[in-house]
Amino acid sequence: GAVVSQHPSRVICKSGTSVKIECRSLDFQATTMFWYRQFPKQSLMLMATSNEGSKATYEQGVEKDKFLINHASLTLSTLTVTSAHPEDSSFYICSALAASGGGWEQFFGPGTRLTVL
Amino acid sequence: SQQGEEDPQALSIQEGENATMNCSYKTSINNLQWYRQNSGRGLVHLILIRSNEREKHSGRLRVTLDTSKKSSSLLITASRAADTASYFCATETSGANSKLTFGKGITLSVRP
Repeated sequence: GAVVSQHPSRVICKSGTSVKIECRSLDFQATTMFWYRQFPKQSLMLMATSNEGSKATYEQGVEKDKFLINHASLTLSTLTVTSAHPEDSSFYICSALAASGGGWEQFFGPGTRLTVL
Repeated sequence: SQQGEEDPQALSIQEGENATMNCSYKTSINNLQWYRQNSGRGLVHLILIRSNEREKHSGRLRVTLDTSKKSSSLLITASRAADTASYFCATETSGANSKLTFGKGITLSVRP
């Protein structure tokens, strides 16, 4: 149980275009999902917390107009990178929050590799 | 800001040896988690240790937590070449609504 998928796994786009990444919880419902970004050989940095039915909460320094998050259902959150530029090239990972062992646990998707040319 | 800081940053050992990785953090936590990431892939959750626990075992993994020193260690016993990966500690800070803060990671290489 607690499987999270991401689509696409890899995407290459031209500078200036927008790219949408989907994060789905396959066998559970998640009111809260998280989006992370990971540059090569670096750690995961939390970008935003996605809440179903309400606005996302962005971390300091993350532009909400550039990284649009929509959490329209209990199993799907999307991240749209608008007007992508080469510096947005990164590995984007989502996670979904689920009850586990008396507490809460984040279950991670496999990641999406974005390359902006 | 980074909460967890792992050391060493890179570790190379021979298959069969034990690997010990350490993580330090700065603030009060609800729990600390260790993850593995193979190159270019997603995260694999290894183990979670709560703030009121001192040690946990899972297979060849042993995790300790010392809240007085704000540190944790991950021990992998009898390492295998397949254990080669990056390892991250992540802390869930008290009152943080389940948000995780990841350390910089440790690159483990296990030579066959």
